[in-house]
Amino acid sequence: DQQVKQNSPSLSVQEGRISILNCDYTNSMFDYFLWYKKYPAEGPTFLISISSIKDKNEDGRFTVFLNKSAKHLSLHIVPSQPGDSAVYFCAALRGGGADGLTFGKGTHLIIQP
Amino acid sequence: EAGVAQSPRYKIIEKRQSVAFWCNPISGHATLYWYQQILGQGPKLLIQFQNNGVVDDSQLPKDRFSAERLKGVDSTLKIQPAKLEDSAVYLCASSSQFGGPNTGELFFGEGSRLTVL
Repeated sequence: DQQVKQNSPSLSVQEGRISILNCDYTNSMFDYFLWYKKYPAEGPTFLISISSIKDKNEDGRFTVFLNKSAKHLSLHIVPSQPGDSAVYFCAALRGGGADGLTFGKGTHLIIQP
Repeated sequence: EAGVAQSPRYKIIEKRQSVAFWCNPISGHATLYWYQQILGQGPKLLIQFQNNGVVDDSQLPKDRFSAERLKGVDSTLKIQPAKLEDSAVYLCASSSQFGGPNTGELFFGEGSRLTVL
C-alpha cells in the first residue's frame, strides 16, 4: 500500500531548463510534506518542505507546490544545474510529526549538459 | 557540527547469520529513527525512538529484528537470523524535535549496506 507515490522513476532535463518532479499521496491525514535529495553512497538530505496550510514554498532555485484537493505536490528546480543530478524523494508526515516520515520510491533526476 | 555516524558501512553475511548495526545521532537530538531502504524503493521506517523509549515499531519484523537505544543516545539494530530479503541499506536518522518548526527535518547517516547471500 503505497501512500506516497512518485510515478516517474527517472527524469532527464537539460542544464538551465526547469525540472519538475511530481508526487501524489493517498492519505488525507498527511499534514506536512518534504523533499529529500540523495547522492549515491550518501544518506538523504533535507531540501525543502511545505505545510498543508500553504500551497507554495520557495527557497532559492527550489519551489514546492501543494494541491490538497488533488493530493498532489511538485518540486520545481529552475534553473537546473549539473549538481542537481540525484535521486529525489518525496516524503509525508502526519500527526504533527509524531510518526516517522513516509517516503515515495524516488525519482532519479539527470541533468544533461 | 558532527553528523549522524553509522557503522559498519558495508556488511556481507550468509543467510541465517546475525548482524548488528550501530548509530550515533547528532548530539542533543532526542528522536532517532532506523529506516530500511531496499534497492529501487524509498526508505521504510522500522523503528522510532524518543530518547530511550520506542514511539513506533509497527513495521519492525520483531521475529528477527531488534533495536535498542540505551541511555537515549547511541542505538543498535540487530538482525538474527538474516534472510535474503533483508539485503538493503539501513539508514539511521535523528531529529531535534517533532511538532516544532523543524518538523520532519531528519538528518540521515550514510547508511549501512547489508548483503545477505
